[in-house]
Amino acid sequence: ETGVTQTPRHLVMGMTNKKSLKCEQHLGHNAMYWYKQSAKKPLELMFVYSLEERVENNSVPSRFSPECPNSSHLFLHLHTLQPEDSALYLCASSLGTSGNNEQFFGPGTRLTVL
Amino acid sequence: AQSVTQLGSHVSVSEGALVLLRCNYSSSVPPYLFWYVQYPNQGLQLLLKYTSAATLVKGINGFEAEFKKSETSFHLTKPSAHMSDAAEYFCAVSVNAGGTSYGKLTFGQGTILTVHP
Repeated sequence: ETGVTQTPRHLVMGMTNKKSLKCEQHLGHNAMYWYKQSAKKPLELMFVYSLEERVENNSVPSRFSPECPNSSHLFLHLHTLQPEDSALYLCASSLGTSGNNEQFFGPGTRLTVL
Repeated sequence: AQSVTQLGSHVSVSEGALVLLRCNYSSSVPPYLFWYVQYPNQGLQLLLKYTSAATLVKGINGFEAEFKKSETSFHLTKPSAHMSDAAEYFCAVSVNAGGTSYGKLTFGQGTILTVHP
């Protein structure tokens, strides 16, 4: 595997389910990100991790819980979601967190909440 | 805080025609600017970036963009469109300031490019 991978690619869940999204980067990067991409809206930054420490929680509801066990893996744990949480969830990584570091994106997980 | 405005949510061109996708930014400090492309059912791929070196930046797939500070613009161009260029394009801005410990990347709304035969 190369680059940034995400699993699953598609997920359908009920509002009472608990599921997790997984992201893995094979680039040796130190920072990882979760974004939400909804139709008709700009990409929304959710969480930022730098060297496994969370440095940003962008006012995300507590039903989304991130976990970064090491610099290569990032999880997004989901519980008690709402239909408006249906979106494409993108993971990204970068070498560092300064502004000139380009972010490399995974293919995303398409989430549908029924 | 920084922001990005992409003028035109949809742009349609003929194959072989010039592609021009407009992006204007707002930032109180010198910005870093990026263009990303997203093909259907895929993540975002970096086309090019401006990091305060040359103002004319060349990227992949024949795209380029020019940083114009006086106009606060970073428009994306390609001399001749190809059918494979059909995708959604995002302009983004990042700075090393604003009280955060990292450079937050702020995206525009995106522009869908359609290429007609």
